[in-house]
Amino acid sequence: GDSVTQMEGPVTLSEEAFLTINCTYTATGYPSLFWYVQYPGEGLQLLLKATKADDKGSNKGFEATYRKETTSFHLEKGSVQVSDSAVYFCALSGAWEYGNKLVFGAGTILRVKS
Amino acid sequence: NAGVTQTPKFRVLKTGQSMTLLCAQDMNHEYMYWYRQDPGMGLRLIHYSVGEGTTAKGEVPDGYNVSRLKKQNFLLGLESAAPSQTSVYFCASSSPPHRATDTQYFGPGTRLTVL
Repeated sequence: GDSVTQMEGPVTLSEEAFLTINCTYTATGYPSLFWYVQYPGEGLQLLLKATKADDKGSNKGFEATYRKETTSFHLEKGSVQVSDSAVYFCALSGAWEYGNKLVFGAGTILRVKS
Repeated sequence: NAGVTQTPKFRVLKTGQSMTLLCAQDMNHEYMYWYRQDPGMGLRLIHYSVGEGTTAKGEVPDGYNVSRLKKQNFLLGLESAAPSQTSVYFCASSSPPHRATDTQYFGPGTRLTVL
């Protein structure tokens, strides 16, 4: 079945450091790929998405490129801030006969120190 | 727009008690979902609905029931709570699957503890 694998955390960085969170996937067909972010005590918010190969999703300084050849969707940010501390989830949209099932990775905790 | 709201935010139950979690959305979405979030496991789909009056099982449906009597509401029921159902529950909604509109929108979650 479809699956998503993320790098384990927590990831601890100093402010203004470069961030990469790795995400790889296994899926049949051509899923859409997502990064969701969960701030402490809150629900999940869509951070960015890409719907086809070579698409780049971007938002709030974060970027991720849909790489079909390596089945990856790594999240990057050039300069993290303390306010980026959160849990980041990679997900794919494995559309099936009914519904639009999202398959999530386990999540990666990011801690940014000032 | 409030988006997706969930009631209650927190609840503590004793083993064997029952309860209902309410999810409401004001985005006129056809599809609604219930997930549970457990440490190190991401979110797992419990049940979902593709429209008013329809429900279907997700990955982990055992011990839960759902109802979608109105388009804007999706209820999750626990008939006899067990400690294994201690989790954070998230509701989500979306438009029908299409690459331009397949984003799911999440509620703030309900933290449930079963003693």
